[in-house]
Amino acid sequence: QSVLTQPPSVSAAPGQKVTISCSRSSSNIGNNYVSWYQQQLPGTAPKLLIYENNKRPSGIPDRFSGSKSGTSATLGITGLQTGDEADYYCGTWDSSLSAVVFGGGTKLTVL
Amino acid sequence: QVQLQESGPGLVKPSQTLSLTCTVSGDSISSGGYYWTWIRQPAGKGLEWIGHIYTSGSTSYNPSLKSRVTISVDTSKNQFSLKLSSVTAPDTAVYYCARENWGYGHYFDYWGQGTLVTVSS
Repeated sequence: QSVLTQPPSVSAAPGQKVTISCSRSSSNIGNNYVSWYQQQLPGTAPKLLIYENNKRPSGIPDRFSGSKSGTSATLGITGLQTGDEADYYCGTWDSSLSAVVFGGGTKLTVL
Repeated sequence: QVQLQESGPGLVKPSQTLSLTCTVSGDSISSGGYYWTWIRQPAGKGLEWIGHIYTSGSTSYNPSLKSRVTISVDTSKNQFSLKLSSVTAPDTAVYYCARENWGYGHYFDYWGQGTLVTVSS
């Protein structure tokens, strides 16, 4: 069982918007910054999409956005494309564990 | 461009020690500013942070693995390594090395391609 809670799956039609939530206790998300990763295929390296709650690395389109409120964080994807089909993971530092923790991952299906 | 490459045996027998090395190019581990990290992913499951090391040799480990994990660094070769002792079948996973930023948050901007390690007799 993962420390951070994500929905197992979400789906939406091409061109639509989808949000993926990530929540946990105050010992992690509440006091620390959240990052998001996209993993196109199982067993391939994840790619950093969002860091420090809402910042995008260079090369990541502004269709991807991040936000945080209290002990929950959200990844938003607008203008969905079939190429966005992937697994998405949130991560943060857990102060009580002194460790990085991840969510269980959310599989995005673009119908 | 920063690149990381994992290397090591793809098959380890139960009760033995898993050993992997990550070779970094395009950045110098000794320059500081980042942690160097191991993450794993069992087939069909999520990501699990194993631990990280700083250029000074300072380490932090996942509490669930701490008793079996050792991460070390060789700045002369620009490499860092993972040892996981007393492995069992649940340790079968793709193992990634990554560069970990730790300014305002801990996040991973560069990853190795991953290497599958199977624990089996």
